[in-house]
Amino acid sequence: GDSVTQMEGPVTLSEEAFLTINCTYTATGYPSLFWYVQYPGEGLQLLLKATKADDKGSNKGFEATYRKETTSFHLEKGSVQVSDSAVYFCALAHGSGNTGKLIFGQGTTLQVKP
Amino acid sequence: EPEVTQTPSHQVTQMGQEVILRCVPISNHLYFYWYRQILGQKVEFLVSFYNNEISEKSEIFDDQFSVERPDGSNFTLKIRSTKLEDSAMYFCASGHRGSNQPQHFGDGTRLSIL
Repeated sequence: GDSVTQMEGPVTLSEEAFLTINCTYTATGYPSLFWYVQYPGEGLQLLLKATKADDKGSNKGFEATYRKETTSFHLEKGSVQVSDSAVYFCALAHGSGNTGKLIFGQGTTLQVKP
Repeated sequence: EPEVTQTPSHQVTQMGQEVILRCVPISNHLYFYWYRQILGQKVEFLVSFYNNEISEKSEIFDDQFSVERPDGSNFTLKIRSTKLEDSAMYFCASGHRGSNQPQHFGDGTRLSIL
């Protein structure tokens, strides 16, 4: 069945460091891909999305490119801030005709130190 | 910006009791979902709901669980005869048609079974 695999955390970085969180997926067809972020005590918020191969999603300085050839959707940010400390979830949803349920990776905790 | 709201934020229940978790989705959304996150584990899909019926459910969503949209605004998850392993964070989400449309999540209800 479909699945999403993320790099294990926690990831600890100093402020202004470069961030990469790896995400790979297994799916039939052409899923849409998402990154969600969960700040402490809050629900999941959409960070960015990409719906087809080679699309780049971006938001708040974060970027991820839909790579069909490597079945990957790695999250990057050039310069992290303390406020970026959160849990990041990679997820996929299937194409038209489906219910659109999300399949999540296990989440990666990011801690940014001043 | 419209939000998905969930109540209560924390529910403590004795094993064997029934619980109802409540959600108010975003008003113009047509697809509704429940997800579960056991502490330290990934977010798991439970059920999707569209046009007043279940459109998809996971293996987790057995006869112990039911969903309802009683009045056109609320969306509820009922768990009959709760078990210790039902302890988790339960997230409600809503969205537009199509898997490339992001789902909007509530802040979750933390369910603790004693």
